Amino acid sequence: AQKVTQAQTEISVVEKEDVTLDCVYETRDTTYYLFWYKQPPSGELVFLIRRNSFDEQNEISGRYSWNFQKSTSSFNFTITASQVVDSAVYFCALSEASGTYKYIFGTGTRLKVLA
Amino acid sequence: EAQVTQNPRYLITVTGKKLTVTCSQNMNHEYMSWYRQDPGLGLRQIYYSMNVEVTDKGDVPEGYKVSRKEKRNFPLILESPSPNQTSLYFCASRGVGTQYFGPGTRLLVL
Repeated sequence: AQKVTQAQTEISVVEKEDVTLDCVYETRDTTYYLFWYKQPPSGELVFLIRRNSFDEQNEISGRYSWNFQKSTSSFNFTITASQVVDSAVYFCALSEASGTYKYIFGTGTRLKVLA
Repeated sequence: EAQVTQNPRYLITVTGKKLTVTCSQNMNHEYMSWYRQDPGLGLRQIYYSMNVEVTDKGDVPEGYKVSRKEKRNFPLILESPSPNQTSLYFCASRGVGTQYFGPGTRLLVL
């Protein structure tokens, strides 16, 4: 069965600190997608990144970076020099790449960045 | 602008009073789905639709109905809402590999 685990329920950091959000997944599929979404206090879900299971290259987008390691079934998200605007709940998700394309979400990590 | 819209955004109702939450997308996506978000549980899929007139149950379909008569619309129907359906609901539309979510509907059932 597919599963996504975000063991960190809540993290608090002081502004400008770096922070890493962990995501561990389980799947028997050889082809799948991994995602990160951000949910700010306003409640909407903002797509951040999609990673194909065949692409293990790490990605950097501004202050955001993602580390995908198939060997440990992890897809971790790092925010460098955090800002108050980064305060949100972050969800990791796993999707089949065929069939029903079902999404499985983790339970989310609430990040609080303190000024 | 490519988007998924939901209405209403907020709704307070009473037990047993039928309600419909509408969802519409303008991206010509075939796949649409509904999720509910509850504290500590993340998002769970209620129903999904892979195309017009093709719908199927997700993980938590009890108490909900859906229909897909047109590609752009995917309404969620609660025939007889109960307090345990108080939640934050999201409609989503999937493009190539990625789901895009509507703004959410906060539902309170008294």
